[in-house]
Amino acid sequence: QKEVEQNSGPLSVPEGAIASLNCTYSDRGSQSFFWYRQYSGKSPELIMSIYSNGDKEDGRFTAQLNKASQYVSLLIRDSQPSDSATYLCAVNPGYGGSQGNLIFGKGTKLSVKP
Amino acid sequence: DAGVTQSPTHLIKTRGQQVTLRCSPKSGHDTVSWYQQALGQGPQFIFQYYEEEERQRGNFPDRFSGHQFPNYSSELNVNALLLGDSALYLCASSLERGGLDTQYFGPGTRLTVL
Repeated sequence: QKEVEQNSGPLSVPEGAIASLNCTYSDRGSQSFFWYRQYSGKSPELIMSIYSNGDKEDGRFTAQLNKASQYVSLLIRDSQPSDSATYLCAVNPGYGGSQGNLIFGKGTKLSVKP
Repeated sequence: DAGVTQSPTHLIKTRGQQVTLRCSPKSGHDTVSWYQQALGQGPQFIFQYYEEEERQRGNFPDRFSGHQFPNYSSELNVNALLLGDSALYLCASSLERGGLDTQYFGPGTRLTVL
């Protein structure tokens, strides 16, 4: 059973701080990794994708991938109250062509306090 | 650039009934995936359609079926509804021909089964 694990939280950080969200996955053959943000009652919105070991930065967001440790993380710098949401880690196991299905964690709820 | 659209937004059905949900992919996308998201959980993969065929299927019973049309839009049908089918149903589109596996989600359909 392929699994993606996340701490459910809630993770509470003060405004302006760095929020660190973590995710582990069980399938060592996984090819691609995604972070989605989901506001309450809304659908998931793509924040970052990462395919290679190392860091990938986009604005205030940095995704980190370590395939040897089967670990993905998302850092949010200068956290804002508008970042308060549930963050979903998703993994593409990489079978069925380039378009595998996505396996999601349960999400980590982030709360940024003003 | 038109994003992923879904209809209806909300739906209330009773046990035993049948329901059809609809999805139009993002402009230029050719692959549609359906997910079920129960409250407090991450999305779970139902199935994926490409070239009008079901390419992959998750661990869902045959009561869940689908279709993809020549214009890439898709339907999800659920027969003999159970209380446990109450969830947010998400459609995601992606572009197979581009060799990219990034999936973009629509706003979802909230199904309530009474």
